[in-house]
Amino acid sequence: QKEVEQNSGPLSVPEGAIASLNCTYSDRGSQSFFWYRQYSGKSPELIMFIYSNGDKEDGRFTAQLNKASQYVSLLIRDSQPSDSATYLCAVNTDYKLSFGAGTTVTVRA
Amino acid sequence: ETGVTQTPRHLVMGMTNKKSLKCEQHLGHNAMYWYKQSAKKPLELMFVYSLEERVENNSVPSRFSPECPNSSHLFLHLHTLQPEDSALYLCASSPSGLETYEQYFGPGTRLTVT
Repeated sequence: QKEVEQNSGPLSVPEGAIASLNCTYSDRGSQSFFWYRQYSGKSPELIMFIYSNGDKEDGRFTAQLNKASQYVSLLIRDSQPSDSATYLCAVNTDYKLSFGAGTTVTVRA
Repeated sequence: ETGVTQTPRHLVMGMTNKKSLKCEQHLGHNAMYWYKQSAKKPLELMFVYSLEERVENNSVPSRFSPECPNSSHLFLHLHTLQPEDSALYLCASSPSGLETYEQYFGPGTRLTVT
């Protein structure tokens, strides 16, 4: 079983819509959860982190965590063409981060 | 750009060459990491250094040799690589390697082994 699983996509959404990205993880002891954005040919850029159950909002981004279900999600509101990228979910295991394979999002104008 | 730099940005090397990748972080962090990113695969953790001490060697072949002379610098020495080692090599840093802090990535080195 993969440690961190994401839908590979591509996820295509119209401009202005909400993009919803999902991630599940296998280690019930994980405490920290991160979302990175990676543009083609670039390195991952941290956009959100969440440690507690519930929602955390930062601008157009909302991270949601449900530890009981071992599930973390990222919502992108008012999606813009500049949000087109691959989004990586990362989960801590001890002192290491385990990454999912990423979900590619395309925002169409 | 984050406060993590990597050189070179692109590298082409033959299988018999020896080369080194360099990473420098300007964030005052205590932990540094090497990752390998191949096409369509998740990021693979290679090495972790915390306060200049290696705390993780994730079953990486010996043709990859890391070096961390201080908390700001990290090297990855390469020798007798194989074509399947061609990938994007990413360096990252975090405030502490033994806590679950966020990691910040450098721009990466695109390595091609011919």
